[in-house]
Amino acid sequence: QVQLVQSATEVKKPGDSVRLSCEAPGDTFTNHLIHWVRQAPGQGLQWVGSIDPLGGHTENAERFQGRVSMTTDTSTTTVYMELSNLIPEDTAVYYCARSDSVLRFLQGYLYFWGQGSLVTVSS
Amino acid sequence: EIVLLQSPDALSLSPGESATLSCRASQSISSTYLAWYQQRPGQAPRVLIYGASSRATGVPDRFSASGTGTDFTLTISSLEPEDFAVYYCQQYSKSVSITFGQGTRLDIK
Repeated sequence: QVQLVQSATEVKKPGDSVRLSCEAPGDTFTNHLIHWVRQAPGQGLQWVGSIDPLGGHTENAERFQGRVSMTTDTSTTTVYMELSNLIPEDTAVYYCARSDSVLRFLQGYLYFWGQGSLVTVSS
Repeated sequence: EIVLLQSPDALSLSPGESATLSCRASQSISSTYLAWYQQRPGQAPRVLIYGASSRATGVPDRFSASGTGTDFTLTISSLEPEDFAVYYCQQYSKSVSITFGQGTRLDIK
């Protein structure tokens, strides 16, 4: 069973940045895109973006353009997502997730999920 | 961005009944890139269906799905107590940004 292990809860002030981590299994790290999805309290799912650990190519939702950055550390098989200029509406549980498909063009459906990282933005 | 509109927003049914959930896209999607998720309170989402109609590993066969173009359906036959949850559709076409529907809450009547 693939486990994605995420970093802990964060409490930030408006205007701050937050950096979340997601450790993925080492043996298949470069085979799968890693996605970030967030869920505000009582709300639905919102895709933030994705990164291809093989090469580092990223995609993100337009609403986060200019505020989100995703990187990888292949030595520790960890993916990082940084969200800057935080506002209270960024308060959410942030999940990392990946597919079980080995075909990259199908890796948008999310089979394995991390436990989630709660980010609270409050003055 | 492709907008996915799910209906109904909420549905109240009894165990043993069947549920039909709808997902309508603002533009045509290849069925290859449509998934359905279940989310129980306090848990991460779980993929049920990908490619519009393929059940993910371990998903019971009472879950089925169909659809093409802009209209997709998830059917749950003979509801079990653990099926009462929130369900989301998702499109993941490579050429556009991934989006989720707003969710349908399935409640016990």
